[in-house]
Formats: sequence, C-alpha cells, structure tokens
Amino acid sequence: EPEVTQTPSHQVTQMGQEVILRCVPISNHLYFYWYRQILGQKVEFLVSFYNNEISEKSEIFDDQFSVERPDGSNFTLKIRSTKLEDSAMYFCASSGTTYEQYFGPGTRLTVT
Amino acid sequence: AQTVTQSQPEMSVQEAETVTLSCTYDTSESNYYLFWYKQPPSRQMILVIRQEAYKQQNATENRFSVNFQKAAKSFSLKISDSQLGDTAMYFCALSGSRLTFGEGTQLTVNP
Repeated sequence: EPEVTQTPSHQVTQMGQEVILRCVPISNHLYFYWYRQILGQKVEFLVSFYNNEISEKSEIFDDQFSVERPDGSNFTLKIRSTKLEDSAMYFCASSGTTYEQYFGPGTRLTVT
Repeated sequence: AQTVTQSQPEMSVQEAETVTLSCTYDTSESNYYLFWYKQPPSRQMILVIRQEAYKQQNATENRFSVNFQKAAKSFSLKISDSQLGDTAMYFCALSGSRLTFGEGTQLTVNP
C-alpha cells in the first residue's frame, strides 16, 4: 500500500541553523501539506501546496519557513534560522483530493 | 473559521468493552469531511475513519463506528471490543482546504 515517507525521523540542530525536512508524498497525489505538533499539543496546519505553488499558509508559516518540490517526488520544508520554539514533530501529508489526507511518520525536530 | 472541540482530555476503558469519544465542530461549509486519527506513542498519525457530510449513513470500519449528527455538529467515535492496541491519542479533524484538529483525547485500554 502506498505511503508517505519522511526523512530524517529525528533531527537535532542548534538554534540559528537551517534545517530541511524531506517528504516523499504518495505518487499520484496532487496536494501536499506540512503540519506541526508541539509536544503535548494538537496538530497545527502550516502550509498547503498544489501545482507547484503555495495554496494556503497559516500564521505560523512566516518568512523563516519555505517549501519546495525540487523534483517529481520530493517535497521539502526549510526552516532558515531555527528557534527553540520550532522544536516539534513535523508531519507531511498528501492528498489526491482536497479532503482525505495521508500522513507520513513525522520528523521530530529538536532545537538546542 | 473552522473549529473542532474534544471535551474529554482523557478516557479509559476495560479491554473488550465499548467506549465513545466525543467531538463537536463548527464550519460554514456545506460540504466537508470529518475524520478520526489515531496517534500511538510512536506519534504517527493513522487515519481511523472518515465521514462525508453529505452522507446520512454513519461510517463503520470494523470495530470503529461514528455517530454523525450534522444538525448538532457532533461527530463521536465508538470503539467496540476495545483492545490494548487501541491505547493512543485520538484526534478529531475537520476538512476544508486544511485539516483542523481538536485537542485530542488520550484513550487508555486497561487489561
């Protein structure tokens, strides 16, 4: 069964460093998403991506964040200068429609 | 703005018994989907069940079923014959251009 994959599973970085989180969505899906979950809190939407451009972003998704689909399979989230409060689980999701989203296993980002 | 509310932060149930998790929501959309996701300690988000708002029939997936009350904007999850592996955080989610999640209910199944 097709699934969304994410790498790395755990990333430790120092404050101020840039990180790139990678995702491979399900191959025939057209919509891609990033969500964030701070430990003990609910899952929060960051950004959606369709047809090679951002379709929607939340107030969390400020200038420190960017997304890219560099080739036909990968979908990346870049955080330019990480802060302590960026420590969270980051989930990639993909959808073949605008409704049903399948999540990857997540990348746990720890900023020290 | 869409909102999802789960008023039960924690619940517990004995193995083999039935438990119901509550969820209420608000949206101005006429067509939407509702979901329950399970998040075990591994923290992976696993889709448990989906409900299309325009369908009156409640969705069922094996031991999982929902009670969808559109007028009341209520979407509860019933787990029958609870198993130890059902222990997890359960999130209710509402579709739109983005998924909006509730705060979650931590379910513990006791042996």
